Amino acid sequence: GAGVSQSPRYKVTKRGQDVALRCDPISGHVSLYWYRQALGQGPEFLTYFNYEAQQDKSGLPNDRFSAERPEGSISTLTIQRTEQRDSAMYRCASSPTPNFGGLSYNEQFFGPGTRLTVL
Amino acid sequence: GENVEQHPSTLSVQEGDSAVIKCTYSDSASNYFPWYKQELGKGPQLIIDIRSNVGEKKDQRIAVTLNKTAKHFSLHITETQPEDSAVYFCAAERNSGYSTLTFGKGTMLLVSP
Repeated sequence: GAGVSQSPRYKVTKRGQDVALRCDPISGHVSLYWYRQALGQGPEFLTYFNYEAQQDKSGLPNDRFSAERPEGSISTLTIQRTEQRDSAMYRCASSPTPNFGGLSYNEQFFGPGTRLTVL
Repeated sequence: GENVEQHPSTLSVQEGDSAVIKCTYSDSASNYFPWYKQELGKGPQLIIDIRSNVGEKKDQRIAVTLNKTAKHFSLHITETQPEDSAVYFCAAERNSGYSTLTFGKGTMLLVSP
């Protein structure tokens, strides 16, 4: 079946502009994660949702970053007033069961990512 | 918070040789350790994982070992093939609060025919 999809795959924007990155999880997957991955680094946790509820946003760098998942399916990560340091690969992952703490042991299925470049 | 160190950053081997990638973690509350393989232009994909109550786990040519006392875990790939070439990430999940993965920086494995 279809995997996690993200759009756009590439986004080039000018400093100060707002951007919205979209994630379509695997159908029926309950939890959804956002990561940022710099070149040569591993994914860095930003935030995650169980259904439509944002459970943990401790990884968001500052208040310019926000995420929503209003109907418990598609999610949008928004970066306001972009800065050059925001340039990175933004990855989304989904998992079939909810993560309410403790050990999830849930395999996370990653999307191909959105490469964001801020000029 | 959790800190995961991964070594080496690059590893070149000949086809048929074995490859070993090592990771250490800092949070003793971590109890789940997955390994992900990332091919060029794709997202990371889970290849094997291990939980804290197990010291070793094997799946065909890949195996993972865990030493909780020393807080380190390793990925072993035997009889490497060119299609094993990719970036490999280790990760650790803490057993407190909301569970999130902390990833290492990755190891680029190159298998030459």
